[in-house]
Amino acid sequence: GQNIDQPTEMTATEGAIVQINCTYQTSGFNGLFWYQQHAGEAPTFLSYNVLDGLEEKGRFSSFLSRSKGYSYLLLKELQMKDSASYLCAVRDIVSGNTPLVFGKGTRLSVIA
Amino acid sequence: EAGVAQSPRYKIIEKRQSVAFWCNPISGHATLYWYQQILGQGPKLLIQFQNNGVVDDSQLPKDRFSAERLKGVDSTLKIQPAKLEDSAVYLCASSFIREDTEAFFGQGTRLTVV
Repeated sequence: GQNIDQPTEMTATEGAIVQINCTYQTSGFNGLFWYQQHAGEAPTFLSYNVLDGLEEKGRFSSFLSRSKGYSYLLLKELQMKDSASYLCAVRDIVSGNTPLVFGKGTRLSVIA
Repeated sequence: EAGVAQSPRYKIIEKRQSVAFWCNPISGHATLYWYQQILGQGPKLLIQFQNNGVVDDSQLPKDRFSAERLKGVDSTLKIQPAKLEDSAVYLCASSFIREDTEAFFGQGTRLTVV
């Protein structure tokens, strides 16, 4: 089976830094994605990690440790528009196929 | 570049009725996904196609849900008969076959079963 865990909700202040954690237990592993989803909208891609380490992309960075089944998304210089749900998704390996499986998401509220 | 197209955007039906959703993926994307997203939760994978073959449908309630992707392009997802708990947003996504490529999502169909 697949188990992908994220905190349900987080609150952070405008201009601050926030770290959203994701732990996963899957049959296999072929990469981890982070998506952003604003209320009422479709998810949009933020980052991809398949090797251990940190991937930086502007204000957003994502880290992966495959041995620990752990990833985090780091958001710097928070802006009000960053208020959204952040979804961790793992490309599992099941019977030779690679389904893309999502966690329940973390709802981030950015306050002034 | 055109995105993933879905229709309808909204649908209200009574329980025990049937409903169908349509998805047109991005041109050239061989992989197509259908997800169910209940309010406040993450997307749940219902079925994943690669071309017109099924990659994973382990979480598709096959007694009432069916999906097809004829000719490896457009796809339809059907629910028959609908239950109250099927109220959700149904998201279609597509990607290239390469596993390191991201999935692009359509706007979704918001289904309300009353």
